[in-house]
Amino acid sequence: EDKVVQSPLSLVVHEGDTVTLNCSYEVTNFRSLLWYKQEKKAPTFLFMLTSSGIEKKSGRLSSILDKKELSSILNITATQTGDSAIYLCAVVGDGLTFGKGTHLIIQP
Amino acid sequence: SQTIHQWPATLVQPVGSPLSLECTVEGTSNPNLYWYRQAAGRGLQLLFYSVGIGQISSEVPQNLSASRPQDRQFILSSKKLLLSDSGFYLCAWDHGQGIGYTFGSGTRLTVV
Repeated sequence: EDKVVQSPLSLVVHEGDTVTLNCSYEVTNFRSLLWYKQEKKAPTFLFMLTSSGIEKKSGRLSSILDKKELSSILNITATQTGDSAIYLCAVVGDGLTFGKGTHLIIQP
Repeated sequence: SQTIHQWPATLVQPVGSPLSLECTVEGTSNPNLYWYRQAAGRGLQLLFYSVGIGQISSEVPQNLSASRPQDRQFILSSKKLLLSDSGFYLCAWDHGQGIGYTFGSGTRLTVV
């Protein structure tokens, strides 16, 4: 059974801090790893990672995949209150498996 | 352009009542479609997926069913809701080619 574990489950930081969110997986027939940001409604797509060691970057957000360690991290630098959300990691194998998410709260 | 519509946004239903949530996709043909449920602290759980008209695969035994009467329409149903059916339901569409998934706006169902 495919498995995705995210940590921490919840995180509270102050505005301007840098955060690192973790995602580890056990998946048969790995194809890609996806990061989503979920605010009040549906998740919105952030990154798709397929190759190990290649950083994907979008503004203050960046992510990298380590296939050897079966993990990925999502970094957010200079956090803002608008970054407060649940960040979901999902892995595409034979199906799509989601982690439980990291609930990130940015305090002003 | 390709879009996914899901409705209603919010639903409050009494126990034992029927349910019908609808999801439609525009701008593509023969999409792979999914129904997920998100319960507090439990992430997204795959309920059903469909690769074509009339083709439904169920991932977990439950009180719900799904149907795909048309290529771009995916319906989640129940004949009699249970309290445990409360949750946030998301329809998703697989772009294929490893591009990722797009989600509908979700339906928050509360069974009382």
